[in-house]
Amino acid sequence: QKEVEQNSGPLSVPEGAIASLNCTYSDRGSQSFFWYRQYSGKSPELIMFIYSNGDKEDGRFTAQLNKASQYVSLLIRDSQPSDSATYLCAVKKNTGFQKLVFGTGTRLLVSP
Amino acid sequence: NAGVTQTPKFQVLKTGQSMTLQCAQDMNHNSMYWYRQDPGMGLRLIYYSASEGTTDKGEVPNGYNVSRLNKREFSLRLESAAPSQTSVYFCASRGILRTESYGYTFGSGTRLTVV
Repeated sequence: QKEVEQNSGPLSVPEGAIASLNCTYSDRGSQSFFWYRQYSGKSPELIMFIYSNGDKEDGRFTAQLNKASQYVSLLIRDSQPSDSATYLCAVKKNTGFQKLVFGTGTRLLVSP
Repeated sequence: NAGVTQTPKFQVLKTGQSMTLQCAQDMNHNSMYWYRQDPGMGLRLIYYSASEGTTDKGEVPNGYNVSRLNKREFSLRLESAAPSQTSVYFCASRGILRTESYGYTFGSGTRLTVV
């Protein structure tokens, strides 16, 4: 089992729709969770982080965390073609030095 | 502009050649990291440095060495390049301020091809 799992996609949504990206993790002691956006040929860019169970909203983005189910998601409202990218889920493990473990990413395609 | 600077951006090596990837950050971050990114494999940690003067192995350290030259700079060296090291390499540093959380800031990457 991978430590952080994501569906590779692509996830295709029409412009204006809600895109829902999901991530599961295996280490129950994980404390912090991050979403990065990576455009093709570019470096990852941090867009959201969440520590506590529940929802965290930032503009069109909402991160949702359910530690009991070991599940974190990212919702993108009013999706735009410029949101088309690969979204990486990352988890800060609770053991040892604070390193992030990344999922392989979900590719999102938003069609006009 | 503040951030993480990597050089070179592109490199082609022949099998057996050596090279050093350079990374520097000007955000006064203590922790720095080297990752490689391969299709279907995601980002995998090669080495990291928790603070100046310390380095530790990550998930895939074989074939690599690192040097934390000072607080700003963290270099990655391939002593004898192999085709399996063809990848995109990212350097990252970690913020400590609450507003930055513990997320990373990434450099622009080095695309390395070993032939």
